Amino acid sequence: AQRVTQPEKLLSVFKGAPVELKCNYSYSGSPELFWYVQYSRQRLQLLLRHISRESIKGFTADLNKGETSFHLKKPFAQEEDSAMYYCAPSDTGRRALTFGSGTRLQVQP
Amino acid sequence: DTGVSQNPRHKITKRGQNVTFRCDPISEHNRLYWYRQTLGQGPEFLTYFQNEAQLEKSRLLSDRFSAERPKGSFSTLEIQRTEQGDSAMYLCASSSPDRDKTEAFFGQGTRLTVV
Repeated sequence: AQRVTQPEKLLSVFKGAPVELKCNYSYSGSPELFWYVQYSRQRLQLLLRHISRESIKGFTADLNKGETSFHLKKPFAQEEDSAMYYCAPSDTGRRALTFGSGTRLQVQP
Repeated sequence: DTGVSQNPRHKITKRGQNVTFRCDPISEHNRLYWYRQTLGQGPEFLTYFQNEAQLEKSRLLSDRFSAERPKGSFSTLEIQRTEQGDSAMYLCASSSPDRDKTEAFFGQGTRLTVV
């Protein structure tokens, strides 16, 4: 069965501190991996995907197929990064997403 | 077209009543998805359309749930004989047929409360 584990429900850091949001997945085939973010009172939106290998808003995520992990990192957290973050693999066919339970990132001033 | 639109935003209904939600996807998107999200959890996949064809239904979708996308544009999700356990946020998403544009765009959701 497809499964996504985000072990931290809440991650609280101070502004300027490094951040790592963990994601481990169990998924058949070769999924595409995404991070979605939901800021307060806003809709769920894409943050980044593993195939584009981009840095978005200072965030990066490295896919480790051996460890089946896709951790999200940012070297210096900003207050505006406070949000709910979801890791979500997707099969390349129907592209339906399997979401983790999410990690709430709280960046304190 | 400013994105995926869902109506209503909130719905309160009595147990046993039927409810229907609507989703208008981004116009050029041929794929449409419904998800359900309960408190403290990530969204869970319910069903998926490619154009007007419903290609997959999750086991979460009981017989009381039905979804349609009659002309391959907007979609409706109906819940018959609602139960308190149906209380959740119902999310709609759409995505492009382009293989290089695989991201899903989400609506703001319909929050259902069954009393």
